[in-house]
Amino acid sequence: GAVVSQHPSRVICKSGTSVKIECRSLDFQATTMFWYRQFPKKSLMLMATSNEGSKATYEQGVEKDKFLINHASLTLSTLTVTSAHPEDSSFYICSARDLAGQLNEKLFFGSGTQLSVL
Amino acid sequence: LAKTTQPISMDSYEGQEVNITCSHNNIATNDYITWYQQFPSQGPRFIIQGYKTKVTNEVASLFIPADRKSSTLSLPRVSLSDTAVYYCLSWDSGGGADGLTFGKGTHLIIQP
Repeated sequence: GAVVSQHPSRVICKSGTSVKIECRSLDFQATTMFWYRQFPKKSLMLMATSNEGSKATYEQGVEKDKFLINHASLTLSTLTVTSAHPEDSSFYICSARDLAGQLNEKLFFGSGTQLSVL
Repeated sequence: LAKTTQPISMDSYEGQEVNITCSHNNIATNDYITWYQQFPSQGPRFIIQGYKTKVTNEVASLFIPADRKSSTLSLPRVSLSDTAVYYCLSWDSGGGADGLTFGKGTHLIIQP
């Protein structure tokens, strides 16, 4: 099936620094990608929808200036956590939609990025 | 808000069949039912998807009654490695650009 590659898998940074997470669709083009955040023992929470060539759509309560999303190509979306603070520590997961694929599965997830802000 | 409701947790034993039921009373005409499995510190993994009646693949079966207000994921002969969180989702997988809204999922624990 289709593969979504997410990097890095784990990052530790100091408070106040910015962290960029990449999400790539390896064998299909994704006009839409989604970013989720997951806290320990909690469910995935949709943060934003990333649209290729246009501005991302953020869910209510998610700061767009804090979580910058860029979807400059059909295979790459990036999430930048700006001026990270300890409360931003979480597991971030991206997903990409393959509407053109023939498989029953249409949404593919990355392996996630564990962000720890010291 | 999530459009589905499922048990928070379930326990079973190796070799048993496990059935996890999900309620989606307000399912839309274009919505499909999709189940994902998630292990700790990993992204969700697709298990199965269906619209109605029964769907079977190499890992699971999905039963959806005619009214589509509920569905049941059936895992045959589970093993310890099936311990995970299972999410049931109702969404328009064929169109729209809406992201999936995850509910709380079912934490399945398989014991020896």
